[in-house]
Amino acid sequence: QSVLTQPPSASGTPGQRVTISCSGSSSNIGSNTVNWYQQLPGTAPKLLIYSNNRRPSGVPDRFSGSKSGTSGSLAISGLQSEDEADYYCAAWDDSLNGVVFGGGTKLTVL
Amino acid sequence: EVQLVESGGGLVKPGGSLRLSCAASGFTFDSYSMNWVRQAPGRGLEWVSSISSGSSYIYYADSVKGRFTISRDNAMNSLYLQMNSLRAEDTAVYYCARDGRPVSIAASRAYGMDVWGQGTTVTVSS
Repeated sequence: QSVLTQPPSASGTPGQRVTISCSGSSSNIGSNTVNWYQQLPGTAPKLLIYSNNRRPSGVPDRFSGSKSGTSGSLAISGLQSEDEADYYCAAWDDSLNGVVFGGGTKLTVL
Repeated sequence: EVQLVESGGGLVKPGGSLRLSCAASGFTFDSYSMNWVRQAPGRGLEWVSSISSGSSYIYYADSVKGRFTISRDNAMNSLYLQMNSLRAEDTAVYYCARDGRPVSIAASRAYGMDVWGQGTTVTVSS
C-alpha cells in the first residue's frame, strides 16, 4: 500500500490527451512539491516533471504537471506510442522524513 | 557525460550482508545529495535512503532502518549502501540517483532525482 495513490492503469489512443492523478496528504503533497518519473520497460526511471510543473531539459512540452492541495496530476497531450510506460509520482513526506512514491500507473497507448 | 554506475549486487542468503557501490562521473559529486531507490520484481519504486552532500544529513525508510547504512566518499566520487540482516523482501533492483540541484538536501527535494544509474540486482534467497 503506497502512501501516494495513483490509478494502476490508464490508456489512450495516439493524439489523445491523458491525465494521471496522484493523491496524497497534508504531510507530503500538501506541504511539498510533486515530482513525476517515467519508466520505460526494462530501463531506469527518468525524471519527467519536478517542482509540480517544471520540465527538465529535453522533456517535450507534451508533458505537463500540476498540483492542487494534496493532489498532483500529470497530463500527456498528443499521445504517442513511445509514451507507453509506467509513471510514478513522488514527494517528500514530513511525517515519515523520507521520499514517498505512488504505486505507479501503467500507461497503454491503444 | 553525467553518469552513475552501480555495482555489488548478487545472490545472498537471508540474514547475510552485501555492500552496494555507486560510482559517479561527469559532475561535481560532492555538491549533490544522493539517494538509493529500489524496485522489487514486478513492483513499483521504493525510496530506501538519502544522504546530503557532506554526509551531515541521512534518512532511511522504516523498512530498512537499523539494517542498512548509507555512506559516501567524496574523494572517490562514490556512494555506498551497506545492507545487513537481509530478508527475502529486500530482493530488488537497487538504483542510485542524484538530487536535481547542488543545494541543501532540504531544498533539493523540490527538484527530484534527475540522474539514475542502470541498477544492480540483489536477490535474497536460501
